[in-house]
Parts: sequence; C-alpha cells; structure tokens
Amino acid sequence: NAGVTQTPKFRVLKTGQSMTLLCAQDMNHEYMYWYRQDPGMGLRLIHYSVGEGTTAKGEVPDGYNVSRLKKQNFLLGLESAAPSQTSVYFCASSYQPGELFFGEGSRLTVL
Amino acid sequence: KQEVTQIPAALSVPEGENLVLNCSFTDSAIYNLQWFRQDPGKGLTSLLLIQSSQREQTSGRLNASLDKSSGRSTLYIAASQPGDSATYLCAVGDSSYKLIFGSGTRLLVRP
Repeated sequence: NAGVTQTPKFRVLKTGQSMTLLCAQDMNHEYMYWYRQDPGMGLRLIHYSVGEGTTAKGEVPDGYNVSRLKKQNFLLGLESAAPSQTSVYFCASSYQPGELFFGEGSRLTVL
Repeated sequence: KQEVTQIPAALSVPEGENLVLNCSFTDSAIYNLQWFRQDPGKGLTSLLLIQSSQREQTSGRLNASLDKSSGRSTLYIAASQPGDSATYLCAVGDSSYKLIFGSGTRLLVRP
C-alpha cells in the first residue's frame, strides 16, 4: 500500500520556468491538500480539494494552480517560478476533515 | 484568523525523562486537533487525533490533551528515548477541511 506518493522528489528550476508536481493517493480519499513548508514557519496550505473536479484556495494560493481531474490525483502547477517559491511541498489526503496522511515531500529550488 | 503557537521551539532532554510539549491556538471553534511527528527530510506522521468533543487521546507512551476553552493542547511523552528525537507539530482543524499548523518543537533526546 503506497499511501500518498509525490513526484518528483527534487527539482531545480530557473526563474520564470514552469513545472507540475504530482500527488497520487491509493486510499480512495475524498480530500486532498497541498502545503508548503519553510524554515521556522510550519506548514501553510496552498490549495485543497474536497472531491474530484473541485479545488479551493488555502492560505497562500498566489502563484500556484491546481487540478483534480481524477479522484486519486492532485496536481500543483507553477506557471512562472519565482525564488520565493523555493520550499518543500507536501501533499496530503484524508477521508474525513482534519485527519491527514502526508507524502514524503518534494524539494523545489528556484534559482 | 486562527493562529497556532508551539512552545518551546526546541527542547533537549536526557533519555528516560518525561516531557511535555505545548500547543496553543487563538480560536476555540475547532473541529479537531492533531499531533504529528516529522523526522529530518521526511514527511509528517500522524501521532494522535483529538476530536473537539474529546479531552484526551493516548497511544503507547504518548498522551495528548485538549482544553478548547483555554485554547491549549499538550503532548506528554513518557520515558523518552533517543528514537523520539524529531520535530513535533500540532495542527488545528476546522469544519472546512483545513488544518492550521504550528511551527513545531524540535526535540532531542540525549542517550
């Protein structure tokens, strides 16, 4: 049972480049989330989804877009990467509000 | 706006000591509260989930309490071991499926 899987695990981008992070879960969870973690700031919610075809903004949504075309996948896109988006990104899923299961994280560096 | 604070930011204790980690939140209208463990370079592992109607939860050497009226939760670790060394995060959830995280307490248990 893989749980929550994130790809890629590491990526280096130049300013202005675009990329997509993929999150896949095999637990049939309705709710999925994207967080970013920065030193000394805990985790902050970027976007989340309460079911297939739905998305909503979290605390820090600017500069990111998401899509949930299939229940098991939640994609996070950066259209024009900026150095301020250097961070560790975590995907999570849950079958009820609040009880989250996390992926291993994706470390992104924007030069 | 909900804010979550964890004190202390870092803690170093000798093996075998009992210890308490603190979490406070500003808005008592929470759905649940969850404690996580994070090892360096890894994702988050859920330790204990307390629903808003509950006062405490226990798992092995861990006990988490919740006092909504005072906006506080504590995580008690009995007979600490070097393997308990990690960062511990608390997060409060609301009914709109979002978790707000504290910045964590970094614990070192010395052999």
